[in-house]
Amino acid sequence: AQKVTQAQTEISVVEKEDVTLDCVYETRDTTYYLFWYKQPPSGELVFLIRRNSFDEQNEISGRYSWNFQKSTSSFNFTITASQVVDSAVYFCALTSAGTALIFGKGTTLSVSS
Amino acid sequence: SAVISQKPSRDICQRGTSLTIQCQVDSQVTMMFWYRQQPGQSLTLIATANQGSEATYESGFVIDKFPISRPNLTFSTLTVSNLSPEDSSIYLCSVFPDRNYGYTFGSGTRLTVV
Repeated sequence: AQKVTQAQTEISVVEKEDVTLDCVYETRDTTYYLFWYKQPPSGELVFLIRRNSFDEQNEISGRYSWNFQKSTSSFNFTITASQVVDSAVYFCALTSAGTALIFGKGTTLSVSS
Repeated sequence: SAVISQKPSRDICQRGTSLTIQCQVDSQVTMMFWYRQQPGQSLTLIATANQGSEATYESGFVIDKFPISRPNLTFSTLTVSNLSPEDSSIYLCSVFPDRNYGYTFGSGTRLTVV
């Protein structure tokens, strides 16, 4: 069975701090996809990144970066120089091709000014 | 990627009644997924809806409580029946339109049962 674990329930930081959100996954499939979504207080799900199991390159997009390590089954998300607008719930999710996403429990990030 | 129109965005319903949620996609998709997000919780898959076949329900979800319609490749409805306060949640539909994109989600329906 597939499983996603986000061990950090809540994280609080002060603006401009860097913060890393952890994601550990379990799957027996050799082909799979990992995702990060942001859910601001308004409730919609905002897609951040999709990574397939054959691409272990780290990704950087502005202040966001992702570290995918198959050896440790982890797909961690780092926000550099956090801002108040980054306050949200962040979900890591996993799927094999074409099946439904399996979500972790989410990490609530609070950034104070 | 696909765009989903989900309606209603929110509703307050009396216990014992039903609510039907609609999702319209701007392109044809094979599979649509329905999720429930209880307050302060993660998203839990209710069922997968394929056009022309019965929906496949996850453990803990039954067709009598959550009947799903999928009449064509761009539309689906989820009905939450015999409402109780425990059904108060956000319900979201999702599609996987293209391997080159991430999954797309509707904006969600926030249901409150009183």
